[in-house]
Amino acid sequence: QKEVEQDPGPLSVPEGAIVSLNCTYSNSAFQYFMWYRQYSRKGPELLMYTYSSGNKEDGRFTAQVDKSSKYISLFIRDSQPSDSATYLCAMSVHGSSNTGKLIFGQGTTLQVKP
Amino acid sequence: DTAVSQTPKYLVTQMGNDKSIKCEQNLGHDTMYWYKQDSKKFLKIMFSYNNKELIINETVPNRFSPKSPDKAHLNLHINSLELGDSAVYFCASSRRASGGTGGTQYFGPGTRLTVL
Repeated sequence: QKEVEQDPGPLSVPEGAIVSLNCTYSNSAFQYFMWYRQYSRKGPELLMYTYSSGNKEDGRFTAQVDKSSKYISLFIRDSQPSDSATYLCAMSVHGSSNTGKLIFGQGTTLQVKP
Repeated sequence: DTAVSQTPKYLVTQMGNDKSIKCEQNLGHDTMYWYKQDSKKFLKIMFSYNNKELIINETVPNRFSPKSPDKAHLNLHINSLELGDSAVYFCASSRRASGGTGGTQYFGPGTRLTVL
């Protein structure tokens, strides 16, 4: 079993839909949770970052972390064709043992159709 | 002005050859990383250097040898290339080797390696 599980999709939605992307994890030491967006043939870029539990909102994007369930989500409101990309969740531990090592989910490929 | 750059962008080579990929960052970061992304988009860390010191060395065949000549550069040399080495290799950098915003990693555009 992988430390971080993410449904690879693909996920296809009409423009304007609300998109929900999710990851589950097994390591309770994870404290930092990130969502990266990767366009085709490009490098991943950081989209959202959350520390510990709670919600964080940035424009049309909302990241949620539920540490009790070991579950994180990314919501995209009013999705646009330009949101079509692969979304990767990533996590790391906190503390002196932290080397910055990120554990990634497999990524979910999203297509938003006009 | 590219923050993290990699060369070459594409690399096609025969099995058994030796090749190198180069990475440079102009962000003034202390930490650099190499990742491998397979055909299913799964991104896995291989190595990390902090101030030219190796701090992450995952279970990677010893045919892969990273080298950091200075904080701004991290190269990856691969000996005796195998079919299974075909993947996209990403370089990344962060201000420091930690979680939190200081550890935010910035990725390069990737090097697509194809071994024939």
